[in-house]
Amino acid sequence: GQQVMQIPQYQHVQEGEDFTTYCNSSTTLSNIQWYKQRPGGHPVFLIQLVKSGEVKKQKRLTFQFGEAKKNSSLHITATQTTDVGTYFCAGSSYNTDKLIFGTGTRLQVFP
Amino acid sequence: KAGVTQTPRYLIKTRGQQVTLSCSPISGHRSVSWYQQTPGQGLQFLFEYFSETQRNKGNFPGRFSGRQFSNSRSEMNVSTLELGDSALYLCASSSAQQGAFGNTIYFGEGSWLTVV
Repeated sequence: GQQVMQIPQYQHVQEGEDFTTYCNSSTTLSNIQWYKQRPGGHPVFLIQLVKSGEVKKQKRLTFQFGEAKKNSSLHITATQTTDVGTYFCAGSSYNTDKLIFGTGTRLQVFP
Repeated sequence: KAGVTQTPRYLIKTRGQQVTLSCSPISGHRSVSWYQQTPGQGLQFLFEYFSETQRNKGNFPGRFSGRQFSNSRSEMNVSTLELGDSALYLCASSSAQQGAFGNTIYFGEGSWLTVV
C-alpha cells in the first residue's frame, strides 16, 4: 500500500539555524499537505500544495512539491523556539481517497 | 465557527474494559476520521466516516469500531482494552471525503486514554 516516509525523524538545532524535513511517497500524489503539532497539542494544518514543482512560502517557512509529485520538503529559515514541534506531511494519491500521513519529523530548537 | 470537539479529554480505564470516545465535527463538515497517536508510531489511521457510512478503514483489530450519526457527530469504541491501547485518539473533520482533491482536515484536541 501507499507509504509516506519523512526524514529525519528528529532534528535538534540551535536557534537561528535552518531546518529542513523531507517527505517521500511510494506513489504519485494528487496533493500534499503539511501539519504542525506542538508538544501536547494536536496537528494543525499549515499548507497544501497541488501542482508539480510548486513552491509556497509562509514567512520563514518554504514548502516545495517535487516535479514528479512523489516528494516534498519543508524548509525553515532561521529557526526560533516557537518552531518547536513535530511536522507531518500528508498526501493522497490519485487512485485512493485516503489521506496518508508521513512518519513526522520532531524539531527541537535550543535557545 | 467552533472547531472540532472531542470528549472526554482524559480518561483512565483498566484492561478488559471498553471505552467510547465522542467527536463533534465543525458545523457543516460531513467527514470524520479517527487516528491513534502513540510516541513511537506517529499518526495511525483508524477509520473515516462520511454521511454515516464507513468509507475507509485502517489496519486495526475488530475491537476498534466507530459510527457516525445523522448530525455528523461520531463515536469510536474500543472493547476489551489492552495496555497497548494507551494513546492519544484524534478526531479530524473535513467538508469533503478525506482524500478528495484539495480537501483539508481539521483536528480536535484529542482524547488521552490511559489503560492500566
